[in-house]
Amino acid sequence: DSGVTQTPKHLITATGQRVTLRCSPRSGDLSVYWYQQSLDQGLQFLIQYYNGEERAKGNILERFSAQQFPDLHSELNLSSLELGDSALYFCASSVTVSGNTIYFGEGSWLTVV
Amino acid sequence: GNSVTQMEGPVTLSEEAFLTINCTYTATGYPSLFWYVQYPGEGLQLLLKATKADDKGSNKGFEATYRKETTSFHLEKGSVQVSDSAVYFCALSDRRDSSYKLIFGSGTRLLVRP
Repeated sequence: DSGVTQTPKHLITATGQRVTLRCSPRSGDLSVYWYQQSLDQGLQFLIQYYNGEERAKGNILERFSAQQFPDLHSELNLSSLELGDSALYFCASSVTVSGNTIYFGEGSWLTVV
Repeated sequence: GNSVTQMEGPVTLSEEAFLTINCTYTATGYPSLFWYVQYPGEGLQLLLKATKADDKGSNKGFEATYRKETTSFHLEKGSVQVSDSAVYFCALSDRRDSSYKLIFGSGTRLLVRP
C-alpha cells in the first residue's frame, strides 16, 4: 500500500459524459501528479500540482482539467468523453515539488462506451 | 527531450532463470533512475532507484546499476520466480525550473513459467 488513495477504482460511462476522479496523496506529500496509461500510448504524464499550484503540464487534453485543494487532495475532471479516453488513470504524490521518489496509487479504470 | 527506451517484451523465462531487462535513456543533466513494477490488476509500485552515476539500486533480489557512460539502467535478477510475472517500467526524473515528473519507458512484460 503506497498510501495514495484513488476513487473510484472502476468507472463505466457513456461518450459525451463528464467524470471526476479523486486522489488523496500520502500523508505529508505536497505534490500530486496525474498519469494516463493506455494500451497505445503507454504511461503519459498529464499534470503536476504542488501545494495547490499547477507546476507542470504534459499531454493533457483541453477537455481535461485538474485541481489541488487546500487539504491537498486532487481531482481530475474529464469531460466530453470519447472512446479513446478509456484508460487507467494514476495519481501519484511526492513530498516536495522535486520529490525524488514518486508513489503511485492503484489507479482508476475508466471505460467509455 | 528526455526519453527512456526499454527492450520490447514479452520476456518469457522458466523459474530460476536469470533475468535482464534492458533500459537506456537520453537526458540532459543528471536524472535519477527508477524501476517500477505493475503486477496484474494492480497499480505501479516502486521497485528500486538510483540517484547518481555508479549507484546500484536493489530490492527483492532485483538490481540495477546507473551507468552514465552507457546511459543505461538494466534490471537484473539472478533467479526469477513465478510471482515476478509483471510489467516492468524503467523511468527517469525530469526536473525543470519548479516542476518535476517521471518519464517512463513503454514497459516490458515478464512471464515466468513454473
